[in-house]
Amino acid sequence: DAGITQSPRHKVTETGTPVTLRCHQTENHRYMYWYRQDPGHGLRLIHYSYGVKDTDKGEVSDGYSVSRSKTEDFLLTLESATSSQTSVYFCAISALMAQPQHFGDGTRLSIL
Amino acid sequence: GESVGLHLPTLSVQEGDNSIINCAYSNSASDYFIWYKQESGKGPQFIIDIRSNMDKRQGQRVTVLLNKTVKHLSLQIAATQPGDSAVYFCAENSEAGGTSYGKLTFGQGTILTVHP
Repeated sequence: DAGITQSPRHKVTETGTPVTLRCHQTENHRYMYWYRQDPGHGLRLIHYSYGVKDTDKGEVSDGYSVSRSKTEDFLLTLESATSSQTSVYFCAISALMAQPQHFGDGTRLSIL
Repeated sequence: GESVGLHLPTLSVQEGDNSIINCAYSNSASDYFIWYKQESGKGPQFIIDIRSNMDKRQGQRVTVLLNKTVKHLSLQIAATQPGDSAVYFCAENSEAGGTSYGKLTFGQGTILTVHP
């Protein structure tokens, strides 16, 4: 398995609270990604990073922010969680562009 | 094949049979394709990939076929085992247009169930 750790694995929180999810990799890969997975929508890209402090938006970035201060860590923040952000969140990494992305085991986030 | 919606296509096979899972992709400019396997409660796991300059690629018990004319991708699993039961989905990457991160577009998936 690729060395990817997501934390927490499960979280339940209330609408309006801030939430931060962490992705930690031990592969020294340049590219890191955050996806959400919902029934009927498959995997959708939220944000990605192509290096330390270099990030950009994906297709469903509204309501989310990210930070990457070290190669190994990529944080996803929901500034004020809403029920529509209830989902399973996956982090992925890849060494190069257009190389296989390898995924963590996900964070199941429920917002009540 | 895969489709949008809450009800994923399903494929049921007997242990030892060969399985074929299909995927229709949308972008004729896509030049890189990946098959993933996802078991319940886990993240997608890379199975095999293929670039558009190839029609076929083989791995251990798996073969991916690419037909660019009809924009179709298939995954063949030989001698399917109960441990192969999972959701399988394809992803396509288009580098056309100068995307900077190798954007992957994922299909919805097909549920494979292998009966002992």
